[in-house]
Amino acid sequence: QKEVEQNSGPLSVPEGAIASLNCTYSDRGSQSFFWYRQYSGKSPELIMFIYSNGDKEDGRFTAQLNKASQYVSLLIRDSQPSDSATYLCAVNQDTGGFKTIFGAGTRLFVKA
Amino acid sequence: DGGITQSPKYLFRKEGQNVTLSCEQNLNHDAMYWYRQDPGQGLRLIYYSQIVNDFQKGDIAEGYSVSREKKESFPLTVTSAQKNPTAFYLCASSAGQGFYEQYFGPGTRLTVT
Repeated sequence: QKEVEQNSGPLSVPEGAIASLNCTYSDRGSQSFFWYRQYSGKSPELIMFIYSNGDKEDGRFTAQLNKASQYVSLLIRDSQPSDSATYLCAVNQDTGGFKTIFGAGTRLFVKA
Repeated sequence: DGGITQSPKYLFRKEGQNVTLSCEQNLNHDAMYWYRQDPGQGLRLIYYSQIVNDFQKGDIAEGYSVSREKKESFPLTVTSAQKNPTAFYLCASSAGQGFYEQYFGPGTRLTVT
């Protein structure tokens, strides 16, 4: 079982729609959760981090964390073609020393 | 202007040669990391360092070596022992290990023929 799992996609949404990206993780002891955006050929860029159960909003982005169900999601409202990228979910685990585990990413395509 | 720099952006080498990738940060971060990314794949951790003069192997350390003589610098050497060195190499840093988010440099694309 992969430690951090994401649907590879591509996820295709029309411009202006809500894009919903999901991520599940295996370690119940995970403490912090991150979403990164990576454009093709570029390095990952941090979008949001979340530590507590519930929702965290930042502009058009909302991160949702449910530790009981071990999933974290990212909602992108009013999706724009410029949001087309791969979104990486990352989870910090305490494995006798904290370690960040990255998912393989979900490709998002926003159609104009 | 705070950030992480990596050089060069593109690097071409012949098989059998060692090559060193540079990573510098001026964010005053304690922890630094090296990742490898292959096409269509996620990030795999090569080495990480929490403090100066200390570093630990990640998941795929074989064929790589690092040093951490200064807080700002964490160079990665890809040795001839690395079987498939062609990849996109990413350096990152964070305020410390644990809860902290990581920030990435622009990456170095290494091609070995």
